[in-house]
This record gives sequence, structure tokens and C-alpha cells, in this order.
Amino acid sequence: AQSVAQPEDQVNVAEGNPLTVKCTYSVSGNPYLFWYVQYPNRGLQFLLKYITGDNLVKGSYGFEAEFNKSQTSFHLKKPSALVSDSALYFCAVRGPYTGGFKTIFGAGTRLFVKA
Amino acid sequence: EPEVTQTPSHQVTQMGQEVILRCVPISNHLYFYWYRQILGQKVEFLVSFYNNEISEKSEIFDDQFSVERPDGSNFTLKIRSTKLEDSAMYFCASSEAGGGTGELFFGEGSRLTVL
Repeated sequence: AQSVAQPEDQVNVAEGNPLTVKCTYSVSGNPYLFWYVQYPNRGLQFLLKYITGDNLVKGSYGFEAEFNKSQTSFHLKKPSALVSDSALYFCAVRGPYTGGFKTIFGAGTRLFVKA
Repeated sequence: EPEVTQTPSHQVTQMGQEVILRCVPISNHLYFYWYRQILGQKVEFLVSFYNNEISEKSEIFDDQFSVERPDGSNFTLKIRSTKLEDSAMYFCASSEAGGGTGELFFGEGSRLTVL
């Protein structure tokens, strides 16, 4: 069965500084990895995904993530944080076909960007 | 931009009552999902639906839950006899076909409060 872990409940960063939100996964076979963001009282929005190819993937709003197979990680990064990046971030994994394409989400990491 | 729409945005019900949550997925998507989120925390998979049948379901999705696509556009989640612990935000999502590589598009959610 697939699983995903986000070791930090909360990440605090100053505006203009780089940010990293960590994610590790466990899945048999090749993983499909995703990051989503949730703003207060809203649904989840897709940021980026890794399916195959380059380990560094770029997504919306200047975010990027690096797939590391040996460390089974998929950390989300941004070179310069904005106050408007403050939100709840979810890492997600979709594993091999098991009758459906179930996506499993991590517990979420709350990002606070201070002005 | 096409979007997933959900109704109602908020429903309050008495314990033991039946509730139907409605969703209109993006029109060319073929895979449909229900997730729930309790107290703004972990996003939990309930069920996936493809080709007019359930393709996968979680242990949460017991006999009290059912899904239906009655008319080719709507996708509904029914809870037959609500319990206090069913109080949560319920999210509908859809994705395109493509071997499971497609990202999920979420609606804004339906908040269910069971009294």
C-alpha cells in the first residue's frame, strides 16, 4: 500500500527567503507524486507533479519539487517566499493500479510566511 | 476555466438523517472521487468511480455510504444514516483519463455538520 509522510506540521519562513516543505513516500513500483495547496475554506489546488523524466519539476506560482528516488523524497521548494504563499500544503502519491487510481495525501504542512 | 462544482456548500442535519451531497465534475473527465477532511486536517480518500461503477473504496466507505452518477453530469455521495463522526468537509474531485497520471481537480467542498 502507498503512503506519504510530511514530517513538519508547520514551516515558518520570512518573506524573500527560500522555503522547503518536506515529503517522503512509500509505494511499490514507480510513484506518481503530486503537491497540492489549500487556502482557508477552499478546495485543494494542484501545484505540480512528477510522473517520469527530469527529477526537478516546476509548477504553479514559482514552486518546484525535486524527486529523489534513493531517499524516496519529493520536497517542495521555492527560491523566494511570498506572504501570499501562506497556506496548507499537501504532498500526495498515487501508486500502481489497484482497480482504481487512488491518490493518498499526507497530513499536510502549514506554511507561514512572515512579512 | 472549467471547474468542479459542489452543492450544498454547507448542510446541517440531525443524526440518523440521510444526506445527499452533489457534484458536477469537469465535463471531459472520466474519473471521479470523494474525499473528506475533518477539522481542516488530513484529506482522506473515500471512493473512486469510473465507467459507472466504484473502482476502489476505503475502509471509511462502509454500507452507510453510496455514490451514483444518475444523469451523466452529476456525481452524488449519499450517507444513509448520518453519525456525529460524519461531520467533515467533503470534497469531490475529478481527473482525466491517462493511466493515472492526471492530477485531481477539486471542488470547493460541502461542509456537513451532524447534530
